[in-house]
Amino acid sequence: AQSVTQPDIHITVSEGASLELRCNYSYGATPYLFWYVQSPGQGLQLLLKYFSGDTLVQGIKGFEAEFKRSQSSFNLRKPSVHWSDAAEYFCAVARSGGYQKVTFGTGTKLQVIP
Amino acid sequence: KAGVTQTPRYLIKTRGQQVTLSCSPISGHRSVSWYQQTPGQGLQFLFEYFSETQRNKGNFPGRFSGRQFSNSRSEMNVSTLELGDSALYLCASSWTGTPQETQYFGPGTRLLVL
Repeated sequence: AQSVTQPDIHITVSEGASLELRCNYSYGATPYLFWYVQSPGQGLQLLLKYFSGDTLVQGIKGFEAEFKRSQSSFNLRKPSVHWSDAAEYFCAVARSGGYQKVTFGTGTKLQVIP
Repeated sequence: KAGVTQTPRYLIKTRGQQVTLSCSPISGHRSVSWYQQTPGQGLQFLFEYFSETQRNKGNFPGRFSGRQFSNSRSEMNVSTLELGDSALYLCASSWTGTPQETQYFGPGTRLLVL
């Protein structure tokens, strides 16, 4: 069965600083990987996804993520954080083939300070 | 294009009661998935429906059930509510439910069981 680990429960960064959120996955084959963002009181919004090909994936709102098979990681990055990026971020994995049955990580809450 | 809508947004029930939540997917989307989000367990997959058929099911007791109608609208039902069922219930839709597709999430229904 697939699983996802987000080791950082809470991260605080200054506005304008760079950001990296960590995600490690466990899956036997090449997984489908996702990053979602959830603002307070809202549903989830997809930031980016990786299935195959270029291991550096560009997403919305200036985010990118890099798939590293050797490290079983899919870390999310942003070069310069804005106050509006404060939210909770979820890494997720789905098995290739079959139908959608996404497994989410426990989330990382991002706080942005001025 | 209207997004995924969920009704009601908030609900308070007492132990032992049953509850029905509704989800209207984006027009044209035929796959609807349900997730439970709690502080302790995070986001957990409940089930996925496509063309009125349940294709995938998570590890939840039989008290949790769902159905999908011919217009792709979906309902989930929880019978004999327990305190631990208090959660945010999220619904997500996509075209056909393959893992590569983007899932679009609704704002959720927040259920409080007293």
